[in-house]
Amino acid sequence: AQRVTQPEKLLSVFKGAPVELKCNYSYSGSPELFWYVQYSRQRLQLLLRHISRESIKGFTADLNKGETSFHLKKPFAQEEDSAMYYCALLRDSGAGSYQLTFGKGTKLSVIP
Amino acid sequence: GAGVSQSPSNKVTEKGKDVELRCDPISGHTALYWYRQSLGQGLEFLIYFQGNSAPDKSGLPSDRFSAERTGGSVSTLTIQRTQQEDSAVYLCASSLRDTNQPQHFGDGTRLSIL
Repeated sequence: AQRVTQPEKLLSVFKGAPVELKCNYSYSGSPELFWYVQYSRQRLQLLLRHISRESIKGFTADLNKGETSFHLKKPFAQEEDSAMYYCALLRDSGAGSYQLTFGKGTKLSVIP
Repeated sequence: GAGVSQSPSNKVTEKGKDVELRCDPISGHTALYWYRQSLGQGLEFLIYFQGNSAPDKSGLPSDRFSAERTGGSVSTLTIQRTQQEDSAVYLCASSLRDTNQPQHFGDGTRLSIL
């Protein structure tokens, strides 16, 4: 079974400090991984996908298959980064069957 | 129950048929959300219920989609005259009060339109 673990429910950092939101997954195949973000009083939205290898709002995430991790990082936190962050894993079996699993989320609080 | 429960877990149907998906949120959670995840795409918001307020339907992709939440608890998402592009995983989530609270997700319903 696939599983996504976000070990921190809450992460508080000072503005300007580096941020790392941890995500570990359990899956034997080749996963597709996502980070979603929900700002206060807004709906959940996609932040980035590992296959895109992009940087959105200064955030990056690298898939480490050896450590089965997909940690979200930003070198200098901003107050507007305060939000709930969800890591998710999409498994595509290639036969029209796929499954999406979310972590429980980490609330990031950036202290001014 | 302990978590958000969705049924059925899998649904295969023919194009043109109507389908109904069910979500049973965590007891006491007043906010309920429907999303869908299509293959190769990010999560797409569909609709949001908060207590007895009128739902935010802004994410529903067409008028073939509708959702109800009876008694502030169980919700059903109905898709009429299904099309192949409706094939996706439909996720339900609930949170204690509002969008400022963590969301708890169900396992989803995998819908396949033939």
